Amino acid sequence: EAQVTQNPRYLITVTGKKLTVTCSQNMNHEYMSWYRQDPGLGLRQIYYSMNVEVTDKGDVPEGYKVSRKEKRNFPLILESPSPNQTSLYFCASSLSGLRGAPYYGYTFGSGTRLTVV
Amino acid sequence: TQLLEQSPQFLSIQEGENLTVYCNSSVFSSLQWYRQEPGEGPVLLVTVVTGGEVKKLKRLTFQFGDARKDSSLHITAAQPGDTGLYLCAGGDNYGQNFVFGPGTRLSVLP
Repeated sequence: EAQVTQNPRYLITVTGKKLTVTCSQNMNHEYMSWYRQDPGLGLRQIYYSMNVEVTDKGDVPEGYKVSRKEKRNFPLILESPSPNQTSLYFCASSLSGLRGAPYYGYTFGSGTRLTVV
Repeated sequence: TQLLEQSPQFLSIQEGENLTVYCNSSVFSSLQWYRQEPGEGPVLLVTVVTGGEVKKLKRLTFQFGDARKDSSLHITAAQPGDTGLYLCAGGDNYGQNFVFGPGTRLSVLP
């Protein structure tokens, strides 16, 4: 089944403790992206990657890091999480894209609900 | 960054009724519609790219305005399974300014 897999689905952590949210897609998509979704603010792009070793900032990159060492994986790293990073996070992929936009529609993962206390 | 406006923000209707939701902004090169259920990621419904384009997906009809400044989603004979958050998303030709709208939250009551 074609899908984007995120782990974990739920995570509660403490301020300052480094964490990684994994994302993997099995569709051979070039373009991958991370979003956070907050009430009243909608979906906002954190980082995107147009291909292996090509990543760039989205609209809200502060406090996050990403890497794209292989096509299928695009982990999101929070080096020192803070309470304002409590949110619902989504990884998404598309066949191809340019800068912050997918050329084709996204396939989204099921989300990771992160709480930082 | 351009903004997308969606209306209405909330909509609650009875099963069997028809409804239309709207998405407006400056000119897009293409526009996508998604449905998101609670606790899940958005699911792509359709992509429209040509001004005046109409696409149908069972009981859902999507229209892209002639000038590509607006789009509508019409649902015929709504069912409880249509309940969810409907999001539009779009951007320009150069990959800039791709954003999601705030969504229309639809509730279809049995």
